[in-house]
Amino acid sequence: DAMVIQNPRYQVTQFGKPVTLSCSQTLNHNVMYWYQQKSSQAPKLLFHYYDKDFNNEADTPDNFQSRRPNTSFCFLDIRSPGLGDAAMYLCATSRVFPGTGVGATQYFGPGTRLLVL
Amino acid sequence: GNSVTQMEGPVTLSEEAFLTINCTYTATGYPSLFWYVQYPGEGLQLLLKATKADDKGSNKGFEATYRKETTSFHLEKGSVQVSDSAVYFCALSGGSSSNTGKLIFGQGTTLQVKP
Repeated sequence: DAMVIQNPRYQVTQFGKPVTLSCSQTLNHNVMYWYQQKSSQAPKLLFHYYDKDFNNEADTPDNFQSRRPNTSFCFLDIRSPGLGDAAMYLCATSRVFPGTGVGATQYFGPGTRLLVL
Repeated sequence: GNSVTQMEGPVTLSEEAFLTINCTYTATGYPSLFWYVQYPGEGLQLLLKATKADDKGSNKGFEATYRKETTSFHLEKGSVQVSDSAVYFCALSGGSSSNTGKLIFGQGTTLQVKP
């Protein structure tokens, strides 16, 4: 089945120690998104890649970076995790047709829960 | 800007009760509307969607109708089960030529179904 895969499901890191979360997709979608979710709040968009174009949200801290080496993979790098970065991180993908205004369905991975000690 | 407003939770129901979770939106153009469900410890799963006015999305006994005149997309189910206990998110996407597929979420509604 085509899907969005996130590894690992659980990640423990130390305060200030860089950590990388990974996401891969078999849907061949052109857009990939990273969200942060705390408690049962709505997911908060950090950034997205539209093909190779990186789009950062205005309020995303510089501590968060992302890489998309190819269509299938996208990584979230947290350079110096703080206690406040402990959260669920969700990756999602969609197929967006430029200029159409048609709302695209996003498909989510299972998430990676990050714990900062 | 675009926004989504959901009824506040938590919503607590007995098994086999009727469920309604209200969702209203503000948007330019003609956005697509979605309901996502999130079970504890999991990612979001698409529950249903509608892409134009008067469309009805349905899945697993859940239904929602895209009402442009009332800018609403209320989620309903005739008989809930304990396994429906989860957080439900209403969301919209698109509606303008600058669409990048970004989702605008409501705040989420926690549903708890008791046996």
